Amino acid sequence: GAVVSQHPSRVICKSGTSVKIECRSLDFQATTMFWYRQFPKKSLMLMATSNEGSKATYEQGVEKDKFLINHASLTLSTLTVTSAHPEDSSFYICSARGTGSGSPLHFGNGTRLTVT
Amino acid sequence: SQELEQSPQSLIVQEGKNLTINCTSSKTLYGLYWYKQKYGEGLIFLMMLQKGGEEKSHEKITAKLDEKKQQSSLHITASQPSHAGIYLCGADPLTDYKLSFGAGTTVTVRA
Repeated sequence: GAVVSQHPSRVICKSGTSVKIECRSLDFQATTMFWYRQFPKKSLMLMATSNEGSKATYEQGVEKDKFLINHASLTLSTLTVTSAHPEDSSFYICSARGTGSGSPLHFGNGTRLTVT
Repeated sequence: SQELEQSPQSLIVQEGKNLTINCTSSKTLYGLYWYKQKYGEGLIFLMMLQKGGEEKSHEKITAKLDEKKQQSSLHITASQPSHAGIYLCGADPLTDYKLSFGAGTTVTVRA
């Protein structure tokens, strides 16, 4: 079945630095990928939709300059948290829809970001 | 936006007992997804329901979408410790494929 790979699974960085998270669709092409953020014991909050070959569309309240999204190929989307602050510490998870009618969204295993 | 309400928020069951989780939408659902998540990990796809009245089963987990397509229930029969986790329902809008999620139900299975 469709598999989405996310890397790294955990990252610790210092305040002010930038962190890049990769999301890959391993056995299918994904023109659209989605980035979610999850706070402790909370549900997933959609941050943005990553579109291959064009700009990402961000949900209301999400800073596009803070969370840079690049979807350079049909199998790779990246989320870069720029100038990270401790409040950016969270669990980030990407997803992509498989090909074919009625295909569900498949999720990566998530990235635990800790900003010190 | 599509509002999804899940109930209960959490539940504890004895191993071998059945349990049911409900997911109610404020709007008609085009598609309803059930995922399972262990805290701090990715989501595991369980089932997708699209037709009113549709019911699907996988091993001991059964999910149903009601005729009006505004409510879904997930039922686990003879629960096991492996069923512990957070169950999330996700709504699929007719356009743009952006899933919105319920707040999740945390299931604890006691041996």
